[in-house]
Amino acid sequence: DIQMTQSPSSISVSLGDRFTITCRASQDIGNYLSWYQQKPEKSPKLMIYRATNLEDGVPSRFSGSRSGSDYSLTINSLESEDTGIYFCLQHKQYPYTFGAGTKLELK
Amino acid sequence: QVQLKESGPGLVQPSQTLSLTCTVSGFSLTSYNVHWVRQPPGKGLEWMGRMRYNGDTSYNSALKSRLSISRDTSKNQVFLKMNSLQTDDTGTYYCTRAEAAFPFDYWGQGVMVTVSS
Repeated sequence: DIQMTQSPSSISVSLGDRFTITCRASQDIGNYLSWYQQKPEKSPKLMIYRATNLEDGVPSRFSGSRSGSDYSLTINSLESEDTGIYFCLQHKQYPYTFGAGTKLELK
Repeated sequence: QVQLKESGPGLVQPSQTLSLTCTVSGFSLTSYNVHWVRQPPGKGLEWMGRMRYNGDTSYNSALKSRLSISRDTSKNQVFLKMNSLQTDDTGTYYCTRAEAAFPFDYWGQGVMVTVSS
C-alpha cells in the first residue's frame, strides 16, 4: 500500500498568516493527489485535485503544489473559516490512502 | 443536484453483520464510481472499497475477507455489507462519488455506527 506521510499533525496559526501542509508519498503517485478540509461533524470537502487544481468555489488563497514525492497545500492569509482538519488523499492506486490529517487552529 | 445519503443501523452487536445503503440522486450509478470510506471517532479516514460504474468492485485488502459491495441501479442504491464486526469497526461510514481518475467530489453526510453489546 502507498503510505502518505502528512505533516504537521497540528498547527496554530494567526489570522492573516500563511502556512503550508505537506504529504509525502511512499511511491510514485504522479499528480493523483487531492486535499480535503473537514469541519467537526461534517463530511470532507474537496479543496484541491490533481495536486494543483483548485476545486470550483474554493477561495483562491488555497493552492497546491508538488515537488517530487512531496505535495503541499498552502493557505495564504488565513481566515477564521479555514480552521478544521486537512487530509491528503492519493488516488493513483488501490487501496486509496489518506494522510493522517493536520488540525489547523487559530492562535 | 448531486446527493448521496447513507442509511443503516446505528448500533451493531459484536460479531454481527453491518448493512448500509447509499442512496444517490443527481447522477447515474452507471456513469460514476461510488466508494465507501470510514472514519473511527477522532481519527483519520480509511478507504474501504468501490463500486465501479460498470459494476466491478474493488476492496481494501485489509477488509476484503469481510466486505461486500453491491448495487441496485434501478433504485439508485449502493450497498455495503461487512461481517464479523468488532469494536474497532466503530466509526462514521461515508459513501462518496468519483469519476474515473478523479478524487471524491461529493460525499454523503455519513452514518455513525457503534459496535457494542
